[in-house]
Amino acid sequence: GQQVMQIPQYQHVQEGEDFTTYCNSSTTLSNIQWYKQRPGGHPVFLIQLVKSGEVKKQKRLTFQFGEAKKNSSLHITATQTTDVGTYFCAGPPDSWGKLQFGAGTQVVVTP
Amino acid sequence: DGGITQSPKYLFRKEGQNVTLSCEQNLNHDAMYWYRQDPGQGLRLIYYSQIVNDFQKGDIAEGYSVSREKKESFPLTVTSAQKNPTAFYLCASATGSGDYGYTFGSGTRLTVV
Repeated sequence: GQQVMQIPQYQHVQEGEDFTTYCNSSTTLSNIQWYKQRPGGHPVFLIQLVKSGEVKKQKRLTFQFGEAKKNSSLHITATQTTDVGTYFCAGPPDSWGKLQFGAGTQVVVTP
Repeated sequence: DGGITQSPKYLFRKEGQNVTLSCEQNLNHDAMYWYRQDPGQGLRLIYYSQIVNDFQKGDIAEGYSVSREKKESFPLTVTSAQKNPTAFYLCASATGSGDYGYTFGSGTRLTVV
């Protein structure tokens, strides 16, 4: 899989605030996937983006794929304590179906 | 309901013992994967398999072994050769292409004392 870099590694957010996490690649990505892992839990697939400039929403979560398909972002509006966890992005699978996961953004929400 | 089951949830073993972690899926997925996660860290690939009776080493395969005798099952053995086996182990499955996302099991926390 193609390598992706996530920033920031750690994000401390006040409840009610918005925040954004980013996923960047030096090469063009055919698609990108996002996962969420709650503390003590396992990663759960959230979404896959495929088209250049694509924007998809899931309630308060907005996912965007860059026009050049080299970066992606996850924006959370009005953060809640349920948003706590680590968000991983992953570049497209290789010929073996292997994903290259980013290091993740760990999100902590303060009430 | 279709899903992927890992057992046990918690496992304690003495140093020097081999231990086998179970992973079973009923999603009819061709591909299965094992990851290791250390506290506050990302996911590191141990082994993966695309078809029955075939598997490949991932980035950190040393000290681990797997088998894929059935499509549904992909057990991982942590051998005594693994220097630091205490970790959270996650199994995942996907369609062969991986294009529709991975489904992860709930994980096994292994503690070696």
